[in-house]
Amino acid sequence: DQQVKQNSPSLSVQEGRISILNCDYTNSMFDYFLWYKKYPAEGPTFLISISSIKDKNEDGRFTVFLNKSAKHLSLHIVPSQPGDSAVYFCAASAYSGGGADGLTFGKGTHLIIQP
Amino acid sequence: DTGVSQNPRHKITKRGQNVTFRCDPISEHNRLYWYRQTLGQGPEFLTYFQNEAQLEKSRLLSDRFSAERPKGSFSTLEIQRTEQGDSAMYLCACNAQETQYFGPGTRLLVL
Repeated sequence: DQQVKQNSPSLSVQEGRISILNCDYTNSMFDYFLWYKKYPAEGPTFLISISSIKDKNEDGRFTVFLNKSAKHLSLHIVPSQPGDSAVYFCAASAYSGGGADGLTFGKGTHLIIQP
Repeated sequence: DTGVSQNPRHKITKRGQNVTFRCDPISEHNRLYWYRQTLGQGPEFLTYFQNEAQLEKSRLLSDRFSAERPKGSFSTLEIQRTEQGDSAMYLCACNAQETQYFGPGTRLLVL
């Protein structure tokens, strides 16, 4: 039973365009959401987070949108750059920082930025 | 640099051997987590420490898995009698500013 779902295993976007990565969750107790970026053979790198009291959070080229009623969040990257090519993981928790249950991750979306 | 280091970065072992991985936060992060990531999956939560207390261990995959954090600083994850299915990346994460930051991971291959 996957509580966090990333339904697109891969996404190809042209350099300079917008990349939109989607994530759905089923556990209504989740209140805190994070996006991580991962290169092969490295640990996940934190990108941006959002708590359920907000519907948008922005940090430079990265914006996360949260639709709590739809249990859906998305990560927008504008403009997309070649260095953005990586696997992106959506993660969720009932507690800020993960609490005693840790983070629950989706399976990831492999973003490929085409020159 | 997340301030979390893990050693070794790679480990190859034969089935049935015991292995131990170490996680070192640079500063005194009071919350420490272990995860496992297999191919095509996201990281899977294993266990959680607050200081030296292991507050959640029911998600450890079997009784062959154990973890310690004896002085509330570094932590170790041990797998006894390794099996081929234990081949994965083992990740350590620590909390800072209400966010989990991950180390580079230890890649385990069981032959």
